[in-house]
Amino acid sequence: QSALTQPPSASGSPGQSVPISCTGTSSDVGGYNYVSWYQQHPGKAPKLMIYEVSKRPSGVPVRFSGSKSGNTASLSVSGLQAEDEADYYCSSYAGSDNLVFGGGTNLTVL
Amino acid sequence: QLQLQESGPRLVKPSETLSLTCTVSGGSLSSSGYYWGWIRQPPGKGLEWIGSIYYSGRTYYNPSLKSRVTISVDTSKNQFSLKLFSVTAADTAVYYCARLMGGTIFGVLTHWSHFDYWGQGTLVTVSS
Repeated sequence: QSALTQPPSASGSPGQSVPISCTGTSSDVGGYNYVSWYQQHPGKAPKLMIYEVSKRPSGVPVRFSGSKSGNTASLSVSGLQAEDEADYYCSSYAGSDNLVFGGGTNLTVL
Repeated sequence: QLQLQESGPRLVKPSETLSLTCTVSGGSLSSSGYYWGWIRQPPGKGLEWIGSIYYSGRTYYNPSLKSRVTISVDTSKNQFSLKLFSVTAADTAVYYCARLMGGTIFGVLTHWSHFDYWGQGTLVTVSS
């Protein structure tokens, strides 16, 4: 199984909206609605932000949203804030009891 | 509030076995419908799923690590453990334990969903 493909970096100014993509195949992202997104600040454990493509856990701001089209999932951060600067990872169920992560995207707030 | 805490040696010699334990507090590891997993992150790199276990002892492993990994559970201590055999420098990483949501039909896993609770992680270095 290969890692999902994410852009290494993304950036935006405060208040802007920034999308982060996560591209897989029909065997993972495209085949199941079990894509999740995690936020990781330096030296900290990942935090769940989105699960099952577009569901938001309690306590996660509505500024964070998820979607999927074909083999590509996307995380959108709107109304960008300084504290959103972090690494973001996607993951997906990959069939046959497997789970795969993306390589991560470093989001910079300009 | 569910909490997970990794423990174990921080330094392991090449060719030896890496052993870590995750202690779960604030909830039962035996709760139906929840799985428990290990994830690692080499310094400066991304996340990699190592494997997962159900309280019954049923295990699931990343195919790329399957030949070197054993995950076990001790429900009496509310703990689950990781053993990674024949380690090399490439196994140096922060190791996380986490709770994993999954779905089953008649006891057969149908999908993994997401990790909702994570431990703080522990850096394990492989070096002589």
